[in-house]
This record gives sequence, C-alpha cells and structure tokens, in this order.
Amino acid sequence: NAGVTQTPKFQVLKTGQSMTLQCAQDMNHEYMSWYRQDPGMGLRLIHYSVGAGITDQGEVPNGYNVSRSTTEDFPLRLLSAAPSQTSVYFCASRSGGTHAEAFFGQGTRLTVV
Amino acid sequence: ELKVEQNPLFLSMQEGKNYTIYCNYSTTSDRLYWYRQDPGKSLESLFVLLSNGAVKQEGRLMASLDTKARLSTLHITAAVHDLSATYFCAVGGRGGSEKLVFGKGMKLTVNP
Repeated sequence: NAGVTQTPKFQVLKTGQSMTLQCAQDMNHEYMSWYRQDPGMGLRLIHYSVGAGITDQGEVPNGYNVSRSTTEDFPLRLLSAAPSQTSVYFCASRSGGTHAEAFFGQGTRLTVV
Repeated sequence: ELKVEQNPLFLSMQEGKNYTIYCNYSTTSDRLYWYRQDPGKSLESLFVLLSNGAVKQEGRLMASLDTKARLSTLHITAAVHDLSATYFCAVGGRGGSEKLVFGKGMKLTVNP
C-alpha cells in the first residue's frame, strides 16, 4: 500500500517557469490537501479538495492552481514560479468523516531561482 | 480567524527527564492533532483528540485536550534520544472544516 505519493522529490525552477507537482493516493480518500512548509512557519494550507470536481482555497492560494478530476490525483500547478514559492510542499489525504487524521506524502522540495 | 500557538518552539532536554509542551488555539474547534516530523521527512500522525478531557498515550508521549481552555498538552516522560524531532499540533475548524491550521512546531532535542 503506497499511501500518498508525491513527485518529484526535488525540483529547481527558474523564475517564470511553470510546473506541476503530482500527488496520488491509493486509499480511496475523499479529502486531499496541499500545504507548504517554510522555516519557522509550520505548515500552511494552499488548496484542498473534498471530492472529485470540488476544490477550494486555503490560507495561501495565490500563485497556485489545482484540479481534482479523479479521486486518486490532486496535482498542484505553479503557473509562473517566483522565488517566494521556494518551499517544501506536502500533499495530504484523509478519509471522509469529520475527525479522520490526514496522511502526508514525502514532500517535494522546490527551489525557484 | 483560527490561530494556533505552540510553546516552547525549541527545547533541549536530557535523557530521562520529563517535560510538557503546550498548544493553544484561538477559536472553538472539534478536533486537534499532534504530528511528529523527523528532519527531511514527512509528518507522522501521533494523536487525534476529539473531545474535552480526551487523553491519549503512546509510549513515552501523552496528549490531552481541554476544549474550554482551548489548550492541548503533550507530555514527555523519561525522554530518550529517539524522541528528538519536531512536533506539530494542528487544529481543525468547526464543523469539520478542511482548513487545518498548524502551529509553528516545537523542535525537541534529547541529549544523552
């Protein structure tokens, strides 16, 4: 059981480039989320989805797009990368039910130069 | 707006000692989570606390929740080096909102 899989693990982008961070889960979880982790800031929610076709903004959505066409996949797109988006990105999923815990992927370390 | 504060943010302690760390949150919530993160790794779920007075224990760690005080504690008993990590609390908004808010994390170093 792979759980939550993120690719790539590391990425370096030039300012203005675009890319997609991939996230896939094999637990048939309804809820999926993207967080960014910056030193001294904890994790901050970027976007989340409560099911296929349904997405919403989190705390820091600017500069990021998401879509959820299937239950399994929740890609995060950076349309025009900026140095401020240098961070470690985590994808998480959890089952339906108010109190279920979230399972996190291994993270993607992104550097924008 | 839901805000989550952890203290302390850094803790260095000797093996064998006990310590309690704190997580305060600003608005009513129906769930609180504790996670552990090792350097360069992902987050590992430790505890899910759902109701006032909830207490959960796993090994040398015990977590509790006081919803009236909006406070959770994570107590470390007889610390060992393997507990060295960063510990996060996270609080969910009311009504099962998916907007989980994390504290900044507490970096724990346990010295031999």
